[in-house]
Amino acid sequence: DVKVTQSSRYLVKRTGEKVFLECVQDMDHENMFWYRQDPGLGLRLIYFSYDVKMKEKGDIPEGYSVSREKKERFSLILESASTNQTSMYLCASSRQSNQPQHFGDGTRLSIL
Amino acid sequence: GENVEQHPSTLSVQEGDSAVIKCTYSDSASNYFPWYKQELGKGPQLIIDIRSNVGEKKDQRIAVTLNKTAKHFSLHITETQPEDSAVYFCAASIWTGRRALTFGSGTRLQVQP
Repeated sequence: DVKVTQSSRYLVKRTGEKVFLECVQDMDHENMFWYRQDPGLGLRLIYFSYDVKMKEKGDIPEGYSVSREKKERFSLILESASTNQTSMYLCASSRQSNQPQHFGDGTRLSIL
Repeated sequence: GENVEQHPSTLSVQEGDSAVIKCTYSDSASNYFPWYKQELGKGPQLIIDIRSNVGEKKDQRIAVTLNKTAKHFSLHITETQPEDSAVYFCAASIWTGRRALTFGSGTRLQVQP
């Protein structure tokens, strides 16, 4: 079974803090994704990566950055957290661009 | 870019009835349409997908239909059971190349026992 693990289920941070969300997959997948999930808006793509050290912007990259130093790990970084970044964050991976995506169970992030 | 609209946002059915969720997409180049089920406290899980060279696909009680001309696709669940209660998302993308998925806004399905 594909396993996508997100390091925290719940996280509470303060405005202005630098926040790191970590995601690890154990299936040697090439592609990794970060989504944000908000009620009524579905899942919106923040960033994705098709290879180590490679990243591409999704639909809502503002206020976020990412890092992929190793194939199995994809980090989402909030450089200076703001209250409008309070949300559920979902990580996903896929073997190749033409393969289904597998999701982690999410990190619910609250910015106070 | 691609835009996916999903209806209804909530759906309540009696156990044993059928449920239908509909999505429309805007980019005629999209050719891959997966459906995901998200249970409470879990990440979305792929339940069925269809590519544009196929008009219909079935897997036990679940089926998906695709109308490329009208640019819409639908999820059909027959003989619904309480464990089908969840949020369902449709999505669309181009199967080849590096395009990521664009998701609909989700449908909360409640199956009443």
